[in-house]
Amino acid sequence: DAKTTQPNSMESNEEEPVHLPCNHSTISGTDYIHWYRQLPSQGPEYVIHGLTSNVNNRMASLAIAEDRKSSTLILHRATLRDAAVYYCILVFGNEKLTFGTGTRLTIIP
Amino acid sequence: SQTIHQWPATLVQPVGSPLSLECTVEGTSNPNLYWYRQAAGRGLQLLFYSVGIGQISSEVPQNLSASRPQDRQFILSSKKLLLSDSGFYLCAWSAGTGGNYEQYFGPGTRLTVT
Repeated sequence: DAKTTQPNSMESNEEEPVHLPCNHSTISGTDYIHWYRQLPSQGPEYVIHGLTSNVNNRMASLAIAEDRKSSTLILHRATLRDAAVYYCILVFGNEKLTFGTGTRLTIIP
Repeated sequence: SQTIHQWPATLVQPVGSPLSLECTVEGTSNPNLYWYRQAAGRGLQLLFYSVGIGQISSEVPQNLSASRPQDRQFILSSKKLLLSDSGFYLCAWSAGTGGNYEQYFGPGTRLTVT
């Protein structure tokens, strides 16, 4: 499986945008980029996914580099409820999600 | 809308006892279903997945088994629990197979084997 690299932790002020980076230099042409987040003592929550083009939904935006070797999850206006571990995952033909260690996002009030 | 249920929410079982965790999905048909385990402070590990009734694929050899007796029901079982089976068990579903399908997770069962 192609691997992803994320910073271990990040901090952001409440009500400001947050940009969470992910590097995936060995991505293949058929890999989708997925983002999930996990709050303490809860199951992971799907955030967003994309293949080549930037994607927007009600939770976040996903910006994908032109060479697809990196991507950025953008939370437009962070709230305290966005404090979680964020996972960037590459998914292709098989069904398995392989979770790494993710980025622990702390929101400062 | 679709919802996924898991029970029980927490469970404390002695070593050597049996286990049965249940997961059901509402609001969709023929989902792909998954069982994951998360040990304390670790990432998620896929244990089993199913693309249809009676079709189970195992990812990791262990003393656990899974069954799918109905389209939207997925059961995780063990005949004899080990201490190493402690963890946070998560059921998930997706609408299809492949990278363009996201997975939706249930609330999880926290299992402690004593």
